[in-house]
Amino acid sequence: QKEVEQNSGPLSVPEGAIASLNCTYSDRGSQSFFWYRQYSGKSPELIMSIYSNGDKEDGRFTAQLNKASQYVSLLIRDSQPSDSATYLCAVNAEQAGTALIFGKGTTLSVSS
Amino acid sequence: ETGVTQTPRHLVMGMTNKKSLKCEQHLGHNAMYWYKQSAKKPLELMFVYSLEERVENNSVPSRFSPECPNSSHLFLHLHTLQPEDSALYLCASSQGGQIYEQYFGPGTRLTVT
Repeated sequence: QKEVEQNSGPLSVPEGAIASLNCTYSDRGSQSFFWYRQYSGKSPELIMSIYSNGDKEDGRFTAQLNKASQYVSLLIRDSQPSDSATYLCAVNAEQAGTALIFGKGTTLSVSS
Repeated sequence: ETGVTQTPRHLVMGMTNKKSLKCEQHLGHNAMYWYKQSAKKPLELMFVYSLEERVENNSVPSRFSPECPNSSHLFLHLHTLQPEDSALYLCASSQGGQIYEQYFGPGTRLTVT
């Protein structure tokens, strides 16, 4: 059973701080990694994709990938109350065609 | 319309009813998905259609029946559902091939009474 593990949280950070969200995955063959943001009552929104080891930055978001450790993370700099949401980690499954495996998500709360 | 749309957005149905959920993608993608999202549980993949061919998911009860008439449209036919089927049903699409980025519709909030 291929798995994606995330700490469910909640992760609470003050406004302006760096929020660090972590994810581990079990399928060594995975090549594509994604972070989705989901506000309460809404559908998931793709915010970051990463395919190579290292860091990828997009505005206040940085995704980090370490395939040897089977670990992917998302850093949110200068956290804002509007970043309060559940963040879902998703990984492609080598034997599952185009399907993604999702973690349960980490709930982030940013206090002003 | 842009992106992925779903109708209806909210649905209340009795256990003996038959209803259908509709999804349409305007992104030119060739793979479409149905997910179920229940409280406190991860997204559950129900069905995948790639190039209009269905990938079987044996864990989904037969009271859920998907239909993909073309690469832009996806339906989920519902009949004799149970209260535990109440959930948010999400449709997603992706380019297919080696491109795995999936884009979600707004979802249908289903309540089975």
